Amino acid sequence: QQPVQSPQAVILREGEDAVINCSSSKALYSVHWYRQKHGEAPVFLMILLKGGEQKGHEKISASFNEKKQQSSLYLTASQLSYSGTYFCGSTNSGGSNYKLTFGKGTLLTVNP
Amino acid sequence: DVKVTQSSRYLVKRTGEKVFLECVQDMDHENMFWYRQDPGLGLRLIYFSYDVKMKEKGDIPEGYSVSREKKERFSLILESASTNQTSMYLCASSVLGLVGEQYFGPGTRLTVT
Repeated sequence: QQPVQSPQAVILREGEDAVINCSSSKALYSVHWYRQKHGEAPVFLMILLKGGEQKGHEKISASFNEKKQQSSLYLTASQLSYSGTYFCGSTNSGGSNYKLTFGKGTLLTVNP
Repeated sequence: DVKVTQSSRYLVKRTGEKVFLECVQDMDHENMFWYRQDPGLGLRLIYFSYDVKMKEKGDIPEGYSVSREKKERFSLILESASTNQTSMYLCASSVLGLVGEQYFGPGTRLTVT
């Protein structure tokens, strides 16, 4: 089952913050975040494996709420380089550990 | 530096042709994946392989097959290409075990006319 991402698109000015959510109807085992810039391959950002875990990557961090079956990606003080499409991928409890199912993506545009 | 390469960046084929998309990784990864990416639909898994000669269907395997004869190489085969298979195809690899970081290739944009 494909996780649901929201919002579908967001436009920011440089320095503003954004939150991207990723929800699943099934129990989550892990959540993965990737960013894809236009015309390029997706690039790994982070994996969250435990419920309630929070991870950081420079000014990009994420949380994983196992109870809500949801993960959120936080982008603070956004930079122009943050522009791109953000994908969450999930593996579900009891499912294949190899198979990552991606959401449809969130297009983030950061303007000067 | 992990490198995943795909045989072509752009490919144009006719309906009914047999199409081979090749992917090679240089990091000795056990897992390899084929995705297709379409606007508004995200990345959808076609097939994956966790070892040589081993494969499993992903979410949209219909119309595709795969081959993995060597650890570093994973091929996607369209037996009889159709126009609805026009898409961007991305290959990825990762280490075995718990799903870890996937390294993606640059993609092949396939157009079937």
